[in-house]
Amino acid sequence: GAVVSQHPSRVICKSGTSVKIECRSLDFQATTMFWYRQFPKQSLMLMATSNEGSKATYEQGVEKDKFLINHASLTLSTLTVTSAHPEDSSFYICSAGGETQYFGPGTRLLVL
Amino acid sequence: GQQVMQIPQYQHVQEGEDFTTYCNSSTTLSNIQWYKQRPGGHPVFLIQLVKSGEVKKQKRLTFQFGEAKKNSSLHITATQTTDVGTYFCAPSSYGKLTFGQGTILTVHP
Repeated sequence: GAVVSQHPSRVICKSGTSVKIECRSLDFQATTMFWYRQFPKQSLMLMATSNEGSKATYEQGVEKDKFLINHASLTLSTLTVTSAHPEDSSFYICSAGGETQYFGPGTRLLVL
Repeated sequence: GQQVMQIPQYQHVQEGEDFTTYCNSSTTLSNIQWYKQRPGGHPVFLIQLVKSGEVKKQKRLTFQFGEAKKNSSLHITATQTTDVGTYFCAPSSYGKLTFGQGTILTVHP
């Protein structure tokens, strides 16, 4: 199947700092990518839809000014968690593809 | 989005026993997808069901889509320790997935 990568795989940062997570489709082009968040022992919750060349579409309750999404090319979407706080600590996963979605390996964020 | 409820939340089985997880919706679904997430891993696509009453098999896994397209199930025959993980159902809309709560499967050797 298609391959989606994420970087970094895990990151620890101090409260108040910003963290950028990259999601890349390695062997296909993706005009749309999706960002999910998963807290321990919970399901995946869609945060936003990343659209190449246009603004991202955010789900209800997700602050667009806090979770900045940029989709500047057909193979790369970035999620920046701005002014991170401990409650932002979570597992962030992206996906891309068509009817079949391929997930990246995820990024574990720990905010101290 | 289309909401789905999954039961049970947890299932502990002895290796060799069967396992079933159910996915229910109050509205008619256009499709349902199933994913498996190993502990510490990311979701991996298993299958998509589209047709009313559809049944698909993958080795020991059997997937069903209800006649009314409001429920679905995943059945694993003779579980193995490699089956451990969380199984999610999720209706898809142009790639956007709405995940159920998942069923965490533990298999005791």
